[in-house]
Amino acid sequence: KAGVTQTPRYLIKTRGQQVTLSCSPISGHRSVSWYQQTPGQGLQFLFEYFSETQRNKGNFPGRFSGRQFSNSRSEMNVSTLELGDSALYLCASKGGLASSTDTQYFGPGTRLTVL
Amino acid sequence: GDSVTQMEGPVTLSEEAFLTINCTYTATGYPSLFWYVQYPGEGLQLLLKATKADDKGSNKGFEATYRKETTSFHLEKGSVQVSDSAVYFCAPLIERGSTLGRLYFGRGTQLTVWP
Repeated sequence: KAGVTQTPRYLIKTRGQQVTLSCSPISGHRSVSWYQQTPGQGLQFLFEYFSETQRNKGNFPGRFSGRQFSNSRSEMNVSTLELGDSALYLCASKGGLASSTDTQYFGPGTRLTVL
Repeated sequence: GDSVTQMEGPVTLSEEAFLTINCTYTATGYPSLFWYVQYPGEGLQLLLKATKADDKGSNKGFEATYRKETTSFHLEKGSVQVSDSAVYFCAPLIERGSTLGRLYFGRGTQLTVWP
């Protein structure tokens, strides 16, 4: 069974631009979560999607948005990029939504550099 | 306040040494507890988990026991190898208020094992 895939793996943008990152969950998984990882702030939760609906949201500005498609694939978008948005963006999938025992499986991440 | 307090790194050990990485968490109830590992340039991999009090998670020689009395989930390994060099993250799955449960990550502990 294929794991979580993320595209692209690396991305370089300039300030003010926008970017879209993509995540394909493990087959059969319906929940997708996004995280931002930086050396200064560590791993921070962005949002979780299930059945095409945002079910949980972290403390990020509105420039960060996402969506989920009917096949459970998810995209996140960052508009008006800032230097501080440079980070590794990780996507994770799990089978269900409310089960506290579900394990999240992570993709390799997209490394975003903002110049 | 902080949901997870994880031992500060970096930790440097010789091969075959004993490893302990401390982790304590703040939560009501009994959250599921996870340890993830991140190798250089990769995403997070699940190392082990425990879903109820007194459970012991184990994998690849690593162990952690769910201690509800001390709200702790310390990671241990009796004999580390060079290949264990990585960053280790403790992550309880916590519900807050009306939001759904999600993972709260510690700051990570960098482990380096020398031959």
